[in-house]
Amino acid sequence: EAGVTQSPRYAVLQEGQAVSFWCDPISGHDTLYWYQQPRDQGPQLLVYFRDEAVIDNSQLPSDRFSAVRPKGTNSTLKIQSAKQGDTATYLCASRRDSAETLYFGSGTRLTVL
Amino acid sequence: SQLAEENSWALSVHEGESVTVNCSYKTSITALQWYRQKSGKGPAQLILIRSNEREKRNGRLRATLDTSSQSSSLSITATRCEDTAVYFCATDADTGYQNFYFGKGTSLTVIP
Repeated sequence: EAGVTQSPRYAVLQEGQAVSFWCDPISGHDTLYWYQQPRDQGPQLLVYFRDEAVIDNSQLPSDRFSAVRPKGTNSTLKIQSAKQGDTATYLCASRRDSAETLYFGSGTRLTVL
Repeated sequence: SQLAEENSWALSVHEGESVTVNCSYKTSITALQWYRQKSGKGPAQLILIRSNEREKRNGRLRATLDTSSQSSSLSITATRCEDTAVYFCATDADTGYQNFYFGKGTSLTVIP
């Protein structure tokens, strides 16, 4: 069984630039999560989906961040105008709705200069 | 504020020794999970312990849960260099495994 795949692995941008992160969850996993992990901290939930529906995006900075999962499989997280404070690793995770275990990808490490 | 928190920032032990990481949490839970994150990788689940369980084992790992004090511990026996990683506790804050809230993590270094 293939794991959660994320791309790119790294991104470096100037403040004000836009960036997108892509996630391919484990096949059959209907629930998908995006986490932000600043350096030396734990993952912090940004948004999660069940199939194509957003279940909770209350922690997503809505003025600059957006996330979609149009067909209930792959997902894209986009930052419209990056700030230095967005520097972090962005982790995607998935699970079956009936299961308890989250499976994480290796993340995208974002640096905003 | 953190719903789950490990009580040590960093620990180091010599290979073969035992070590314990402690965690406290702030809300009722359905379950508490322990994850390990190695450098450059995403977290990987080690143990899940449900709110009605007091202890769970997985090989060299042992987790305990005390719901009265809202605390948990993860013990690793006979540590190996490959146990070097950051260890997180995570709770679902009684959402029935829907949301997962992670602590800041404890960095463990196993010295050869």
